Amino acid sequence: KQEVTQIPAALSVPEGENLVLNCSFTDSAIYNLQWFRQDPGKGLTSLLLIQSSQREQTSGRLNASLDKSSGRSTLYIAASQPGDSATYLCAVQFGGTASKLTFGTGTRLQVTL
Amino acid sequence: EAQVTQNPRYLITVTGKKLTVTCSQNMNHEYMSWYRQDPGLGLRQIYYSMNVEVTDKGDVPEGYKVSRKEKRNFPLILESPSPNQTSLYFCASSFGQVNTEAFFGQGTRLTVV
Repeated sequence: KQEVTQIPAALSVPEGENLVLNCSFTDSAIYNLQWFRQDPGKGLTSLLLIQSSQREQTSGRLNASLDKSSGRSTLYIAASQPGDSATYLCAVQFGGTASKLTFGTGTRLQVTL
Repeated sequence: EAQVTQNPRYLITVTGKKLTVTCSQNMNHEYMSWYRQDPGLGLRQIYYSMNVEVTDKGDVPEGYKVSRKEKRNFPLILESPSPNQTSLYFCASSFGQVNTEAFFGQGTRLTVV
């Protein structure tokens, strides 16, 4: 069964810390992996998309890596800010089920002052 | 502004009363889909559409219908809602089926009593 797992479910860090969010998936045959941010009442916002042939993507303070062979991705957030507080979702487009994104249940991040 | 718009944002209804949740995108995307989000289960795909008049079932289609008469619109229809359809619903669109960024609406919180 193709599954996506995110651990931990919740994380609290003080402002300014660098942090890593983890995502693991069960099948290495993927088209891509996407990281989203979910804010209450505001839906999902795409942060980064890493295609199967890529190892990482960067956008501002965010860097996402992909290791297909081990079935892992990490989202690195540098110099965290209170505005980074949100739920971060990892989603995989598996080969053979390209019609959908398979989501993890997310990591709820709180950045404290 | 590129966006996916869902209406209504919040809805409380009674069992058996037909309802429609509308979804519209202004990006000329071919691919659209509906997801529901439940605690501990993440987002699961209900239906998707690859283009006008082309729709197919996702992972949890029971109790739902969709139509795609125009490229920009993809309504979700609950003909006879039941309490187990109480959930947070998201519409999503993308330019293509694979390796393209997915844009999500702000969500519709549905409560069926």
